[in-house]
Amino acid sequence: NAGVMQNPRHLVRRRGQEARLRCSPMKGHSHVYWYRQLPEEGLKFMVYLQKENIIDESGMPKERFSAEFPKEGPSILRIQQVVRGDSAAYFCASNRGASAYEQYFGPGTRLTVT
Amino acid sequence: GQQLNQSPQSMFIQEGEDVSMNCTSSSIFNTWLWYKQDPGEGPVLLIALYKAGELTSNGRLTAQFGITRKDSFLNISASIPSDVGIYFCAGQRGSNYKLTFGKGTLLTVNP
Repeated sequence: NAGVMQNPRHLVRRRGQEARLRCSPMKGHSHVYWYRQLPEEGLKFMVYLQKENIIDESGMPKERFSAEFPKEGPSILRIQQVVRGDSAAYFCASNRGASAYEQYFGPGTRLTVT
Repeated sequence: GQQLNQSPQSMFIQEGEDVSMNCTSSSIFNTWLWYKQDPGEGPVLLIALYKAGELTSNGRLTAQFGITRKDSFLNISASIPSDVGIYFCAGQRGSNYKLTFGKGTLLTVNP
């Protein structure tokens, strides 16, 4: 299966803990996008990365959230000191480049903060 | 921020019926994409539209890019039970890679 992979699919964290969400893009894709989806809402853009570069993080909360896409390995979305409001589904999408408008999504990570 | 108004919010139809849903915006978009999301899964791309007035089909699905570039609609013909899910429209502006999503249309098909 050459699709976008995300893990874990479900993640439970207590308030104050750290959450790490991983995304491996589709084969041949070097551009990764992270979106957040709250219940009964559409997806909201968070951050756009290329290998070793953050291109646009305008949708990311200024504090506690960070993202990286290293030269080797998956892209990581990291949430420090999670709060209940961070509970959501986090989706990763990938494509070949910013001019390739179609973005292909992974299955998501459902984060629950207790 | 930009918003896409998607309607209807939900639809309950009988198997075999045709379905129509649409998205409108106060802003111009250069690309419209339609996705379907099943419970617990990620959105799956159904149709991509790149030109104003473009009409594109994918099996029983047909989507159109509005001539004003501020709207798009999706039709599903002869619905079947596996069409159940949430349908999202998404738009892109120019070279801006960010997708702006509507809130979705929940489709229920009664067998």
